[in-house]
Amino acid sequence: GAVVSQHPSWVICKSGTSVKIECRSLDFQATTMFWYRQFPKQSLMLMATSNEGSKATYEQGVEKDKFLINHASLTLSTLTVTSAHPEDSSFYICSASWTGYNEKLFFGSGTQLSVL
Amino acid sequence: EDKVVQSPLSLVVHEGDTVTLNCSYEVTNFRSLLWYKQEKKAPTFLFMLTSSGIEKKSGRLSSILDKKELFSILNITATQTGDSAIYLCAVVRRGNTPLVFGKGTRLSVIA
Repeated sequence: GAVVSQHPSWVICKSGTSVKIECRSLDFQATTMFWYRQFPKQSLMLMATSNEGSKATYEQGVEKDKFLINHASLTLSTLTVTSAHPEDSSFYICSASWTGYNEKLFFGSGTQLSVL
Repeated sequence: EDKVVQSPLSLVVHEGDTVTLNCSYEVTNFRSLLWYKQEKKAPTFLFMLTSSGIEKKSGRLSSILDKKELFSILNITATQTGDSAIYLCAVVRRGNTPLVFGKGTRLSVIA
């Protein structure tokens, strides 16, 4: 079945540094990828929709300058948390869908970010 | 605003019990409803429901959709400790738009 690879699985960084998270669709082309954030014991919160070759669409309340999304190819989207602060510590998950089949949504394994 | 509401938010049962998780929705351009199980990492897909009244089954899990009353249920029979997880309900809308997730039900199965 289709696989979405997310890397790294976990990262610890100092406050003020930037962290890049990669999301790759391994055996299909994903024109659209979604980035979610999840706090402990809470549901997934959509941060942004990443479209290949165009600017990402951010959800209300998500700072686009803080969370930079790049979807440069049909198999790769990246999320960069810039100038990370402790409150950015969270679990970040990406998902990717086949073109036109949003039901076929596959999730990456997630990235646990801890900002010290 | 489109929304998905799950209940209960948390549930503790003993092994062997049967549980029913609820998901109601109010969305425009409904296409299908998905159930996911999330343990420590990313959600894993359980069911996709598109038509009313057709039960989907996988082992001890089953689910059904009622498009008239706008809800779905997920049943787990003979629960085991390995069923402990967050169960997420999400609605797919027409067009390549993001899923609308419920807040999830945290199920704890104790021996």
